[in-house]
Amino acid sequence: EADIYQTPRYLVIGTGKKITLECSQTMGHDKMYWYQQDPGMELHLIHYSYGVNSTEKGDLSSESTVSRIRTEHFPLTLESARPSHTSQYLCASSATNSYNEQFFGPGTRLTVL
Amino acid sequence: KQEVTQIPAALSVPEGENLVLNCSFTDSAIYNLQWFRQDPGKGLTSLLLIQSSQREQTSGRLNASLDKSSGRSTLYIAASQPGDSATYLCAVLIGSGNTGKLIFGQGTTLQVKP
Repeated sequence: EADIYQTPRYLVIGTGKKITLECSQTMGHDKMYWYQQDPGMELHLIHYSYGVNSTEKGDLSSESTVSRIRTEHFPLTLESARPSHTSQYLCASSATNSYNEQFFGPGTRLTVL
Repeated sequence: KQEVTQIPAALSVPEGENLVLNCSFTDSAIYNLQWFRQDPGKGLTSLLLIQSSQREQTSGRLNASLDKSSGRSTLYIAASQPGDSATYLCAVLIGSGNTGKLIFGQGTTLQVKP
């Protein structure tokens, strides 16, 4: 079944740790996105990719980095996590031929102590 | 800069009531508008997408309208049910279909009481 997956769903870690949030989609989409959402607040785009080896920063400044080596995989990495990184991270994908309708994964809720 | 506003921020209604959620945006130069549903702690589920050239879209008990010139969209939910309780987000796509970005509102949190 075509879907978009995120792991882990929940993560609690200490300050200074390096973490990677995984996002994979089996929908055959060329575009992928990472959003950050604080409780009760709107989503903000932090990274996006239009295809393999293409990555761009979004509207919200983020200390995270991303890579797009395979079409279906778009991991997000924090080299040194801080309490200010505590948030929900949502991954999405879309296809160019579908009016850019975006489909979202279940999210990763990150807590940095 | 495009800004998206949703009113009200929260809404509580009895089961069976018809209701309208509002979304407004400051720049009419949008490519499309998408309505999403978000359950607590979960990701977003796409409900309806309206192209900038369209006036409305319907899916089951949901009907979304778009008035691009006035910068407004509404989501109409007919015969609401407790299972409709969730946060509803609208987002506009700016730029183009190939390179556009979604700008989100803060959402309307709906509670439907049995």
